[in-house]
Amino acid sequence: EVQLLESGGGLVQPGGSLRLSCAASGFTFSRYAMSWVRQAPGKGLEWVSAISGSGGNTYYADSVKGRFTISRDNSKNTLYLQMNSLRGEDTAVYFCAKGGSGVVTSFDYWGQGTLVTVSS
Amino acid sequence: DIQMTQSPSSLSASVGDRVTITCRASQGISNYLAWFQQKPGKAPKSLIYAASSLQSGVPSKFSGSGSGTDFTLTISSLQPEDFATYYCQQYFSYPFTFGPGTKVDIK
Repeated sequence: EVQLLESGGGLVQPGGSLRLSCAASGFTFSRYAMSWVRQAPGKGLEWVSAISGSGGNTYYADSVKGRFTISRDNSKNTLYLQMNSLRGEDTAVYFCAKGGSGVVTSFDYWGQGTLVTVSS
Repeated sequence: DIQMTQSPSSLSASVGDRVTITCRASQGISNYLAWFQQKPGKAPKSLIYAASSLQSGVPSKFSGSGSGTDFTLTISSLQPEDFATYYCQQYFSYPFTFGPGTKVDIK
């Protein structure tokens, strides 16, 4: 059974940093691209970042480029999102999502999310 | 960036109704289109990928169609567990983008 468990969310001041983790199990982690998707309170879904299975290719939304860094440790089956220079508009539930099979894929499984609140 | 729109933004329907949601991309995306269902306070659930392929375990009352710029999600007979918000998403190119969502509630 595929499981994705996010952690690391919390309250942080504007300008601060936070690192999110997503522990994966139930599949061969290194074979699949992974993404982070966020949802601000009462709003829709926003894709944030993606990383290839090997970790060699990364992609970012313009809204986080230069501030967030996605990475993965395939030996630990864990996905990360390092978030720096946080702003109020980064307040959201952050979901990790597993890519499906194939070269170009969407998501097939999602974690339950972790809440990040940026406020003084 | 590819912009995604959905219509309607919300709809009220009764149990047993056939419901259709439309999604439009600002440029052609072939069939790189997915649909997700989200209930309040829960993570999204993947329903359809490649415009018309059902994810494993998704009931056949859900169906998707379309290619290029225009897509539809149809629920053949709405059940109480189907009341939720539905999002389309393009994965033709980065940045991936979602539609704004369609909320389906009980009439």
